[in-house]
Amino acid sequence: DTAVSQTPKYLVTQMGNDKSIKCEQNLGHDTMYWYKQDSKKFLKIMFSYNNKELIINETVPNRFSPKSPDKAHLNLHINSLELGDSAVYFCASSQDSGQGTQYFGPGTRLTVL
Amino acid sequence: GQQLNQSPQSMFIQEGEDVSMNCTSSSIFNTWLWYKQDPGEGPVLLIALYKAGELTSNGRLTAQFGITRKDSFLNISASIPSDVGIYFCAGPSGGSNYKLTFGKGTLLTVNP
Repeated sequence: DTAVSQTPKYLVTQMGNDKSIKCEQNLGHDTMYWYKQDSKKFLKIMFSYNNKELIINETVPNRFSPKSPDKAHLNLHINSLELGDSAVYFCASSQDSGQGTQYFGPGTRLTVL
Repeated sequence: GQQLNQSPQSMFIQEGEDVSMNCTSSSIFNTWLWYKQDPGEGPVLLIALYKAGELTSNGRLTAQFGITRKDSFLNISASIPSDVGIYFCAGPSGGSNYKLTFGKGTLLTVNP
């Protein structure tokens, strides 16, 4: 009965590869997010989708492409991975009436070698 | 953009002690959120504050929404070893309820 789940938990890959991270929420929320947490633990929003529509797109390289097939899923595809992409990526979700309260998944630790 | 200044950056305390951490901003926030992140896990919401002056408790945790709407604090009473983790303050910024700005976190270590 996990609220926000992500797969995989760990991802180790070579530079130049393409990889995807999947996220699902069973909370019935309208909005989903991708965050990046760097080595200093700073959390920064990357993207947000509301009812499958992109509403936040921060300054992120266009090698990163989010896709929301439905309200409960938000995937993140990364092309041509670089060393600097190594980080922990968190998915989150929120209800439109929730006044900003967001609920986070367990994270995906991406390591690019 | 709006920034949140969270302090202290880290704390080392003995089990049983009380802890206080705070967040300040140069801009007004309409919601203050406090999260805790355990190692290898995602941030978990501890307390949400929606009104200036609001004081809310969750077990041994108490948080307050500052009257100026530019600050918030989190207190933990009678700390226990499982309180170890990183505590983040956060709030919606840029006039949008969707875009959360996070503080840089307070790393709490509790010595048994």
